[in-house]
Amino acid sequence: DIQMTQSPSSVSASVGDRVTITCRASQGISSWLAWYQQKPGNAPKLLIYAASSLQSGVPSRFSGSGSGTDFTLTISSLQPEDFATYYCQQANSFLTFGPGTKVDIK
Amino acid sequence: QLQLQESGPGLVKPSETLSLTCSVSGGSISRSSYYWGWIRQPPGKGLEWIGSIYYSGSTYYNPSLKSRVTISVDTSKNQFSLKLSSVTAADTAVYYCASYDSSGSNFDYWGQGTLVTVSS
Repeated sequence: DIQMTQSPSSVSASVGDRVTITCRASQGISSWLAWYQQKPGNAPKLLIYAASSLQSGVPSRFSGSGSGTDFTLTISSLQPEDFATYYCQQANSFLTFGPGTKVDIK
Repeated sequence: QLQLQESGPGLVKPSETLSLTCSVSGGSISRSSYYWGWIRQPPGKGLEWIGSIYYSGSTYYNPSLKSRVTISVDTSKNQFSLKLSSVTAADTAVYYCASYDSSGSNFDYWGQGTLVTVSS
């Protein structure tokens, strides 16, 4: 099974900050990686697919990079609506989610 | 625009079988290359993929749950269903149905989720 880890598990940031979240796979997954945003009480929302492709309708301040085992999600300038929990998900072998990173207000 | 909606009992007794249905609207469940899946989230915890199905009936299950999971599809009703047997309190979670295209396997459409509590 492919295991996913994320770091940090939580981050406190201010509006306008640049935030970077890292996701690591236990074995190579090429670019089979997606990022989701989840707000309390809501279903997750797809942000990034294929490691770096922006889902339609998602603001350009979100970007993804990486391949193989190491990936990053970057929010270039944090907005009030971005405070949420972010999950990575691999699709190379079955489907596995990372444990999540909570972005909260500093 | 696809819309998915979960339905089923919100309370299940330990050792019994959890049964949920996902109704799909805004498109056909038989659409080529689209898969339909179940994901769960225990209260305050992360997401866990349970399994997926193609309209033809091909299924893919999380190895950790495979012995207890059955996912089926009813194309005539545009629905797919989840059965999870021998439930315990550890199966208490919000259960989501979702869909993805086989080219990416990213869940792009989600239901709102339904809380299922396992308790006597």
